[in-house]
Amino acid sequence: RKEVEQDPGPFNVPEGATVAFNCTYSNSASQSFFWYRQDCRKEPKLLMSVYSSGNEDGRFTAQLNRASQYISLLIRDSKLSDSATYLCVVRPSYGNKLVFGAGTILRVKS
Amino acid sequence: DGGITQSPKYLFRKEGQNVTLSCEQNLNHDAMYWYRQDPGQGLRLIYYSQIVNDFQKGDIAEGYSVSREKKESFPLTVTSAQKNPTAFYLCASSPGGLAADTQYFGPGTRLTVL
Repeated sequence: RKEVEQDPGPFNVPEGATVAFNCTYSNSASQSFFWYRQDCRKEPKLLMSVYSSGNEDGRFTAQLNRASQYISLLIRDSKLSDSATYLCVVRPSYGNKLVFGAGTILRVKS
Repeated sequence: DGGITQSPKYLFRKEGQNVTLSCEQNLNHDAMYWYRQDPGQGLRLIYYSQIVNDFQKGDIAEGYSVSREKKESFPLTVTSAQKNPTAFYLCASSPGGLAADTQYFGPGTRLTVL
């Protein structure tokens, strides 16, 4: 089983739609969780950290479910510019290095 | 402007040749990393360095070598021993070492072996 698993998609949605991605992780002792965004043929950039209480940044909401070992990202009112690959990133308790999921592709169409 | 630069953007190499990828940062970060990204896979850690003159192997270090002689520079050499070197290589840095939450990435180098 992979340490971090994501549905590769692609998720094809119209502008204005709400879309949600989930990500599961295998290490129950994992400490930190993040969503990174990667545009086509570009470098990843931090989108948001995911806190136990959940957090929101504008149209983006991230949730953590430790019992079921998954994190989610909700995007409301999708824009064309949201089209990208969204990487789920976890810091396991050992080693303190980041573990990256393979990413979920989102395509927002007009 | 502060940031991370990688060069070249595209690199072509013949089989059997060693090649060195450049990574420079002016963010004054202590830790630097090299990742490899292949289609359909997550980023995989090749090497990392938390301080000058020290570095550790990541998950897929075989066929690669690094040096960290200066805080701002962390070059990666892809040797002929690396069996499948064609990939997108990303360099990153972070303040505060390996446990830092945020990593900042350079624009990447696409290496193709002909």
